[in-house]
Amino acid sequence: GAVVSQHPSWVICKSGTSVKIECRSLDFQATTMFWYRQFPKQSLMLMATSNEGSKATYEQGVEKDKFLINHASLTLSTLTVTSAHPEDSSFYICSALTSGGSRDTQYFGPGTRLTVL
Amino acid sequence: SQQGEEDPQALSIQEGENATMNCSYKTSINNLQWYRQNSGRGLVHLILIRSNEREKHSGRLRVTLDTSKKSSSLLITASRAADTASYFCATVSTSGTYKYIFGTGTRLKVLA
Repeated sequence: GAVVSQHPSWVICKSGTSVKIECRSLDFQATTMFWYRQFPKQSLMLMATSNEGSKATYEQGVEKDKFLINHASLTLSTLTVTSAHPEDSSFYICSALTSGGSRDTQYFGPGTRLTVL
Repeated sequence: SQQGEEDPQALSIQEGENATMNCSYKTSINNLQWYRQNSGRGLVHLILIRSNEREKHSGRLRVTLDTSKKSSSLLITASRAADTASYFCATVSTSGTYKYIFGTGTRLKVLA
């Protein structure tokens, strides 16, 4: 149980285009999801907290107009990187908290590697 | 930055040896978790230790927590080549937001 998927697993796009990444909880409902980015050989940095039915909460330094987050249902959150530039190339990972029971553990997706040319 | 720190940053050992990684953090926590990440892949949850626990075991893994020193250690005994990965600690603060603060990670290489 507690499986989280991400789509696509990798994407290459041209500078200036927008890219949407999906995060789905496959077998549980997730009122809260998180989005992280990870540069090569570095740790995960939290970008934003996504709550179903409400606006995302962004961490300091993360541009909310550039990284659009939508959490329209209890099993789906999307991250759209708008007007992507090469410096946005990174590994983006989402995680989900279960709605009930213990909320101690986040379940992570497999990640999406974004390369902006 | 609230990011925790781990040491060593990189560790190379022979198969069969034990590997110890340390994690330090900055805030009061509810729990601390250890994750493994194979190169370019997602995170695998290893173990959770709560703030009122001092030690926890899971198979070849042993985790300790010292809240007075704001530190934790992960010991992998009898390491295998398949243990080669990056290991991260993540803390959940007492603020109630359920946000994780990840450590900087330790890259472990186990030589066959």
